[in-house]
Amino acid sequence: DILVTQSPSSLSASVGDRVTITCRTGQAIGDFLNWYQQQPGKAPQLLISAASNLEIGVPSRFSGIGSGTNFILTITSLQPEDFATYFCQQTFVSPPTFGQGTKVEIK
Amino acid sequence: QVHLQESGPGLVKPSQTLSLTCTVSGGSISLGGYYWGWVRQPPGGGLEWVGYIYYSGETFYNPSLKSRLAISPDTSKNQFSLLLTSVTAADTAFYYCTRARVGHSSPFDFWGQGTLVTVSS
Repeated sequence: DILVTQSPSSLSASVGDRVTITCRTGQAIGDFLNWYQQQPGKAPQLLISAASNLEIGVPSRFSGIGSGTNFILTITSLQPEDFATYFCQQTFVSPPTFGQGTKVEIK
Repeated sequence: QVHLQESGPGLVKPSQTLSLTCTVSGGSISLGGYYWGWVRQPPGGGLEWVGYIYYSGETFYNPSLKSRLAISPDTSKNQFSLLLTSVTAADTAFYYCTRARVGHSSPFDFWGQGTLVTVSS
């Protein structure tokens, strides 16, 4: 299985802050990388597919970039509803595997 | 809008079989273009892909679960089901049914609300 490693595991930030989350994979995966947001007690929700394609309805303050083994999710101007856990997922090789998650908490 | 809803027992005894059903509305599991499947998450833990099925009946399973796992469709009810045999406490998790788009990066674009299955005697 491809190992997917996110950093940091958690972070504290304030409303209005810029936040970046990094995802690294154990082998090159092109851009077969998706990002999800999970609110407490809810199912994950797809934010970004293929490393940088924002899903319809997702605010433009979310963006993704990367290819190969290194990927970044950026949230510009963090909003109260953005405090959640974020997961990246590789789908280049089966089985699809997820990072361990990054919890974004209120400072 | 596609909606997925899990149903099934919330408590299963060790060594028995876990059985869940996902009811789909707003989309047909009989049409191509999507995989229909399951992801699980232990309480407070990370996400693990379980497997999915395509409209053709082809199944794709996580190798770590393959020997105990079956995913099957009921096209007449627009449902698909999960069977996981010989369960242990390690199978305790929230189980989400999902839809994944066929194609580039195959993102999981719709999820059910999830159902907690506890394995305990």
